[in-house]
Amino acid sequence: QVQLVESGGGVVQPGKSLRLSCAASGFSFRSHGMHWVRQAPGKGLEWVAVIWYDGSKKYYADSVKGRFTISRDNSENTLYLQMNSLRAEDTAVYYCSRWGADIDFDYWGQGTLVTVSS
Amino acid sequence: SSELTQDPAVSVALGQTVRITCQGDSLRNYYANWYQQKPGQAPVLVIYAKDIRPSGIPDRFSGSRSGNTASLTITGAQAEDEADYYCYSRDGTDKNYLFGTGTKVTVL
Repeated sequence: QVQLVESGGGVVQPGKSLRLSCAASGFSFRSHGMHWVRQAPGKGLEWVAVIWYDGSKKYYADSVKGRFTISRDNSENTLYLQMNSLRAEDTAVYYCSRWGADIDFDYWGQGTLVTVSS
Repeated sequence: SSELTQDPAVSVALGQTVRITCQGDSLRNYYANWYQQKPGQAPVLVIYAKDIRPSGIPDRFSGSRSGNTASLTITGAQAEDEADYYCYSRDGTDKNYLFGTGTKVTVL
């Protein structure tokens, strides 16, 4: 079955960096685009970034553009999110989600919490 | 506009029917997906495309669309349906992905 497992979250000071990982299994990772979506405490879902199945295209929400970088390693079935210049407003649970065949966001990981605080 | 607007909260008596709506210009051209999220858990897809339920989703969940409004209907709500529900739609580009503001459903 499809499984997505995020890791790498934690407490980080403003201005610092953090890299999140999402380990995929149970499907052909190299055949699917992937997203990062976040959810601030008590708030709704916010799309963060998308990467094409082959890494050829990447797009970002305006709120993270220039600070976050999405990437993938298809040989390791792993998705990444490099987060630089972190701000308090980046505090959220970060989910990775699969771009299914004709279904955006068909499977989600359990999420990893990032807290930006001094 | 590039937003999807939902009512913040609705309540429904056990066994009754509730409709959750989602409004946005993108819905004139794209169907909505609907996600259920229970406290402390990841979202789960419950409806996609015109009105399709993924495997394992009860048939009391159904979807529809009219004009710029998409709806999720729960017919015969159960206690386990109490959750937050989010709509989602494309915005016509590959560069932006829209989630609704979310609706908290309480089953009385």
